[in-house]
Amino acid sequence: AQTVTQSQPEMSVQEAETVTLSCTYDTSESDYYLFWYKQPPSRQMILVIRQEAYKQQNATENRFSVNFQKAAKSFSLKISDSQLGDAAMYFCAYRSSPNFGNEKLTFGTGTRLTIIP
Amino acid sequence: DTGVSQDPRHKITKRGQNVTFRCDPISEHNRLYWYRQTLGQGPEFLTYFQNEAQLEKSRLLSDRFSAERPKGSFSTLEIQRTEQGDSAMYLCASSYRVTEAFFGQGTRLTVV
Repeated sequence: AQTVTQSQPEMSVQEAETVTLSCTYDTSESDYYLFWYKQPPSRQMILVIRQEAYKQQNATENRFSVNFQKAAKSFSLKISDSQLGDAAMYFCAYRSSPNFGNEKLTFGTGTRLTIIP
Repeated sequence: DTGVSQDPRHKITKRGQNVTFRCDPISEHNRLYWYRQTLGQGPEFLTYFQNEAQLEKSRLLSDRFSAERPKGSFSTLEIQRTEQGDSAMYLCASSYRVTEAFFGQGTRLTVV
């Protein structure tokens, strides 16, 4: 079974600064997807960024980028130019390749990010 | 609003009562998922539908839990004989491709 570990329960960053959230995972599969989801207070979870394991290039979405280290099974999220609206719980998640027929997302325990004005 | 819709948003029930939650996915999405999230934890997978077929169930889904998706559209999650340990946020998500799932705002269940 796959597991996802987020070792930072809480992080804070000054507005406009850069912050990195950590995530490690364990799997024996070679093909899979990794995701970062954002869950603002009392709001629905939204996808921030995803990475296909077969792609060597790190995914980037505007101010959000990842550092994907497949051999180390590490998938960190970097938020640049932090904004007040970035304050939320961030969850790292794993999904097997469709070839394995397993459609579920496995989530970490989350990191609560606070933005300091 | 064309997002995933869940009803009700909040439910308070007495222990032993039955409750039913509804999820309306994004209209063209054939995949529908239920997750449970307790305080301070990430969501845990409960079950998955592709169209009307329930293809995967977690061991978390005890025999008191049942989910349906008639006609491959909306889905319901029923919990019979609720227990205090069932108190959680129940999240529904839908997708068309495996690479992205869209979540609803969830139903928060409190069992007293």
